[in-house]
Amino acid sequence: DTEVTQTPKHLVMGMTNKKSLKCEQHMGHRAMYWYKQKAKKPPELMFVYSYEKLSINESVPSRFSPECPNSSLLNLHLHALQPEDSALYLCASSPDHGGGFNEKLFFGSGTQLSVL
Amino acid sequence: DAKTTQPPSMDCAEGRAANLPCNHSTISGNEYVYWYRQIHSQGPQYIIHGLKNNETNEMASLIITEDRKSSTLILPHATLRDTAVYYCIVRVTSGTYKYIFGTGTRLKVLA
Repeated sequence: DTEVTQTPKHLVMGMTNKKSLKCEQHMGHRAMYWYKQKAKKPPELMFVYSYEKLSINESVPSRFSPECPNSSLLNLHLHALQPEDSALYLCASSPDHGGGFNEKLFFGSGTQLSVL
Repeated sequence: DAKTTQPPSMDCAEGRAANLPCNHSTISGNEYVYWYRQIHSQGPQYIIHGLKNNETNEMASLIITEDRKSSTLILPHATLRDTAVYYCIVRVTSGTYKYIFGTGTRLKVLA
């Protein structure tokens, strides 16, 4: 199984709603990532979890709250978002087994989020 | 963090080689160069990566200059299905791994 599965594929939410994005992988990878991608722009790194601990937060606003319940699951909790937060949210994983040549990212297909 | 710059767009005739350049002049000695492509806002797809040596796999070849300040992705026989946005990425090691995307090149393969 070399897939990263993201749910839901599409999400529409109001500015007062609370919602969550989910990401799952069963490749035994120990690093998981959230990226945000606006239309016609490259993905921008938001968070990195390594061995279930948050290791990188790229100064993301607190209305985005990541969670890594175990090494296979990654969630992104959303609360009080703004219309400018509408974007494609991509999850990725990598082995994180000591670095070196075999490291690479495996991406999910993303969640297209619209904030009204 | 190392940054990459890429031309915004390129055209290539079907069946010909597509050569996509990337500048990463501030890259450090232990930072790898990766190439991914993205089709129609799907998740990015891995193509190839390298550190110092040229690399080849079933999809493409990666040529890295000796000073490591630039690289070229080569798709040897481009097809219409290779039309996509191609991203040059540097993997930064700072306790954990950060994959920093470049601005991307929109490749259009023409029939």
